[in-house]
Amino acid sequence: AQKVTQAQTEISVVEKEDVTLDCVYETRDTTYYLFWYKQPPSGELVFLIRRNSFDEQNEISGRYSWNFQKSTSSFNFTITASQVVDSAVYFCALSEAENSGAGSYQLTFGKGTKLSVIP
Amino acid sequence: KAGVTQTPRYLIKTRGQQVTLSCSPISGHRSVSWYQQTPGQGLQFLFEYFSETQRNKGNFPGRFSGRQFSNSRSEMNVSTLELGDSALYLCASSLFLAGDSTDTQYFGPGTRLTVL
Repeated sequence: AQKVTQAQTEISVVEKEDVTLDCVYETRDTTYYLFWYKQPPSGELVFLIRRNSFDEQNEISGRYSWNFQKSTSSFNFTITASQVVDSAVYFCALSEAENSGAGSYQLTFGKGTKLSVIP
Repeated sequence: KAGVTQTPRYLIKTRGQQVTLSCSPISGHRSVSWYQQTPGQGLQFLFEYFSETQRNKGNFPGRFSGRQFSNSRSEMNVSTLELGDSALYLCASSLFLAGDSTDTQYFGPGTRLTVL
């Protein structure tokens, strides 16, 4: 069975600090997809990134970067120079190819990490 | 392009009643999924529809059902409501393109259901 663990329940940082959100996953499938979503207080889940298991290239997008390590089953997310607007709950999610076809996703979410950025 | 829309945004019901929630996907998206979010259980997959057919179903009782219409709009229904059904219900849509390794799910704002 697939599982996603976000060990950090809550994190508080002072504005402009860097922060890393951890995500560890478990899956028996050899092909799977990993995601990060952000949920601000309004409640809507905002898509941040998708990473396929066959693509281990790490990515940087502005202040955001992601570190995908298959060897440790981790998909960590770093915010550089955090801002107050980054305050939200961040979810890591996994979808196995077994439960997915093209465009079909049965996402398993972690419990989320609540990030508070203090001005 | 408009995002995923869900109606109503807030709903209050009493135990034993039934409720129907509606979801309109992003234009051109053909797959719709539903998730339940509660403080205790977190985000859990309910079901997914494509081409008016249920493709996947999560581990929820039969009181939870859904359907998809020919225009890809979807509804979910919960019958005989229980207190534990109080949650944020989120709908997500995706393009569903064969071989597309970049396709993903985009979520709506959710419907917050309170059962009294």
